[in-house]
Amino acid sequence: DAKTTQPNSMESNEEEPVHLPCNHSTISGTDYIHWYRQLPSQGPEYVIHGLTSNVNNRMASLAIAEDRKSSTLILHRATLRDAAVYYCILRDLVTQGGSEKLVFGKGMKLTVNP
Amino acid sequence: DTGVSQNPRHKITKRGQNVTFRCDPISEHNRLYWYRQTLGQGPEFLTYFQNEAQLEKSRLLSDRFSAERPKGSFSTLEIQRTEQGDSAMYLCASSSYRGTNEKLFFGSGTQLSVL
Repeated sequence: DAKTTQPNSMESNEEEPVHLPCNHSTISGTDYIHWYRQLPSQGPEYVIHGLTSNVNNRMASLAIAEDRKSSTLILHRATLRDAAVYYCILRDLVTQGGSEKLVFGKGMKLTVNP
Repeated sequence: DTGVSQNPRHKITKRGQNVTFRCDPISEHNRLYWYRQTLGQGPEFLTYFQNEAQLEKSRLLSDRFSAERPKGSFSTLEIQRTEQGDSAMYLCASSSYRGTNEKLFFGSGTQLSVL
């Protein structure tokens, strides 16, 4: 599985935008970029995913570099409830019916200061 | 949509005992995954089902581990002859598989402590 690299941790202030980086220099053309987050004492939660174009949803935005070797998850206005471990995951869904599991790394811990 | 339900939330057992966890997925979700997570690490894949068929098992899933999903609804994960190294959070996730748009919904997990 292609790997991703994230900082171990980041801090942000409440009500300010937060940019969470992810490097994936060995990404293949069929790898989708997925983001999940895990709040304390809970299972992971889907945030967003994309292939080439930038994506927006109610939770966040995903900005994907033109060469796809990196991406950035953007929380437009951080709240205390956004404090979590964020996982950037590559997922190859070309081989339908084959191995399609999500492979999590250690993720990045986001601290939001009031 | 009541979410993915896992029971029990916590389990304490003695080394050598057998334990069984249950996962109730979101209704009509055809895929069900099991993951294991230890402190400070991301979740590690164990196995997954599409309906009642177990499609993939990780090498982490030793002979002491078995998972079932009878009738393609709820699933159970059994660990026989537990060892201290089995202590972890066991997470279940389900999805309505739609190819590239698959989103996994996780339960809150079962925390296993082996004494």
